[in-house]
Amino acid sequence: SAVISQKPSRDICQRGTSLTIQCQVDSQVTMMFWYRQQPGQSLTLIATANQGSEATYESGFVIDKFPISRPNLTFSTLTVSNMSPEDSSIYLCSVGSGSSQETQYFGPGTRLLVL
Amino acid sequence: QKEVEQNSGPLSVPEGAIASLNCTYSDRGSQSFFWYRQYSGKSPELIMSIYSNGDKEDGRFTAQLNKASQYVSLLIRDSQPSDSATYLCAVLTGANNLFFGTGTRLTVIP
Repeated sequence: SAVISQKPSRDICQRGTSLTIQCQVDSQVTMMFWYRQQPGQSLTLIATANQGSEATYESGFVIDKFPISRPNLTFSTLTVSNMSPEDSSIYLCSVGSGSSQETQYFGPGTRLLVL
Repeated sequence: QKEVEQNSGPLSVPEGAIASLNCTYSDRGSQSFFWYRQYSGKSPELIMSIYSNGDKEDGRFTAQLNKASQYVSLLIRDSQPSDSATYLCAVLTGANNLFFGTGTRLTVIP
């Protein structure tokens, strides 16, 4: 499976600021995904990022709040904008694998605390 | 109704016993099923995938799928303390969306 890294691994931010999370993969992948895992909860898909096209956002998530870039086949960023304490969460990127990209492998995550 | 449901536990088993983790799903069109293990403070790690009815074995892990009952399970034989983690069931629906359950927390008691 691909080796996935994320930066930063953790951060503490003030409300009203923005944080950009980077996801780097060691091989070219078609589909990359961004998830949020709030404390004690399961994973919730924020958006799917394909290279060369706009990200597809899930219900409840909007581009103005979570802008995503996918400049090439090995890299993506997720920005959490105008943060509030409710944005405190773990943010995970994953990459698809398999003929239909059905199998996903996760990066180590970014632990965000908003004060 | 949630897409994927799991008993949140905690499930406690003694070392050496069989741990049985269960998951049900709502979309009858689902074709791909996954089990992830997540240690505290870590990201999910894929441990098993299953696509056909029946059993699939990989070492101490056995995934079982029953599409008629919309049920998938994970058995861990000879449980070890290092198996203590949260196990997440994930289902790829017919619409190609991957949904995760809330996870079952397993504790293996030495």
